[in-house]
Amino acid sequence: DSGVTQTPKHLITATGQRVTLRCSPRSGDLSVYWYQQSLDQGLQFLIQYYNGEERAKGNILERFSAQQFPDLHSELNLSSLELGDSALYFCASSLKTGRLSGANVLTFGAGSRLTVL
Amino acid sequence: QQQVKQSPQSLIVQKGGISIINCAYENTAFDYFPWYQQFPGKGPALLIAIRPDVSEKKEGRFTISFNKSAKQFSLHIMDSQPGDSATYFCAASSGGGADGLTFGKGTHLIIQP
Repeated sequence: DSGVTQTPKHLITATGQRVTLRCSPRSGDLSVYWYQQSLDQGLQFLIQYYNGEERAKGNILERFSAQQFPDLHSELNLSSLELGDSALYFCASSLKTGRLSGANVLTFGAGSRLTVL
Repeated sequence: QQQVKQSPQSLIVQKGGISIINCAYENTAFDYFPWYQQFPGKGPALLIAIRPDVSEKKEGRFTISFNKSAKQFSLHIMDSQPGDSATYFCAASSGGGADGLTFGKGTHLIIQP
């Protein structure tokens, strides 16, 4: 167990629907990252939050949004779902951000597998 | 634009052999190069990492070799074991750590008994 908790583990939904994926970071970690993993694109960085504030954005679609709450858990919202959104969505956490720590390790959760039919 | 190119896509090695996975990067601002290991049903986990001030880092059977001039780095797994069968990702970032990690597409490694 990495200490990063993601729910749900599996989710099947239809095109056009909206889903929310939840992540609880490892205890003490302030930064949360969301990644999308698909067979053809590998691990794609979506977005990062640090202590409640958006820190960096990657290849996140406008249909997707995220937030980090005061208790540091994070949610990734995916709307107007398309078949191509089917993927594994990983949350990762780290203690700090940037050069504040010499070894800023990313700890990943087990992922949420989204299937859009 | 793929900033970190990883090869091979899949690799089969006999038990006891050496597994070698290669990565090449384009962004000269990258200064942190980790390797992650992922087992089926699990998230990636940090295996070993290197910074460009050294050319090699060894942890047990795992070694990273780094060639700054060629903008390449590789993972060597010595005495490969069936338990090493997993998907391996190289990654790179600038700014010293986990922020903005760009991952390679992964190598599916199978160690045959």
